[in-house]
Amino acid sequence: DVKVTQSSRYLVKRTGEKVFLECVQDMDHENMFWYRQDPGLGLRLIYFSYDVKMKEKGDIPEGYSVSREKKERFSLILESASTNQTSMYLCASSISGRAVETQYFGPGTRLLVL
Amino acid sequence: AQSVSQHNHHVILSEAASLELGCNYSYGGTVNLFWYVQYPGQHLQLLLKYFSGDPLVKGIKGFEAEFIKSKFSFNLRKPSVQWSDTAEYFCAVNPPHYNQGGKLIFGQGTELSVKP
Repeated sequence: DVKVTQSSRYLVKRTGEKVFLECVQDMDHENMFWYRQDPGLGLRLIYFSYDVKMKEKGDIPEGYSVSREKKERFSLILESASTNQTSMYLCASSISGRAVETQYFGPGTRLLVL
Repeated sequence: AQSVSQHNHHVILSEAASLELGCNYSYGGTVNLFWYVQYPGQHLQLLLKYFSGDPLVKGIKGFEAEFIKSKFSFNLRKPSVQWSDTAEYFCAVNPPHYNQGGKLIFGQGTELSVKP
């Protein structure tokens, strides 16, 4: 079974803090994704990565950056956390960049920015 | 704006009732279509997907979906729901301009509550 893990289930941070969310997958997948999930808005893509050190902006990249130094690990960085970044963050991976591939999701990190 | 729409935000059914959740998208050209489900306290997981061939797709746990190209729709169905189907359901589309990379556009989600 594919396993996608996220470093924290719940996180509380203060406005202006730099926040790191970590995601690890154990199936040698090429593609990794970061989404945020908000009630009534579904999931929105923040960034994705199709290879080590390669990244591409999604639909809502503002205020976020990412890092992928190793194939199995994809980090989401909030440079200066703001209250409107309070959300559930989901990481996903897929075996390749083919459009038909299934994405496998982690359990999510619920972030509260005070 | 191009989008994916799920018209029902919250559906409440009794066990054994039939289910149909609507999903419409506004992208032209070739699309790939998915339904994902999130059970309470669990990871989001794939229910079924369509990318070519028979427009009636069968997934896990007795779910199926029908792709109707002329209506830009991919509705999810189940003939008889169970209490264990209580979950949030997300429709997702991989539109033509996102074919490389497998990126998805998700709908808003539909919360299904099944009363025992």
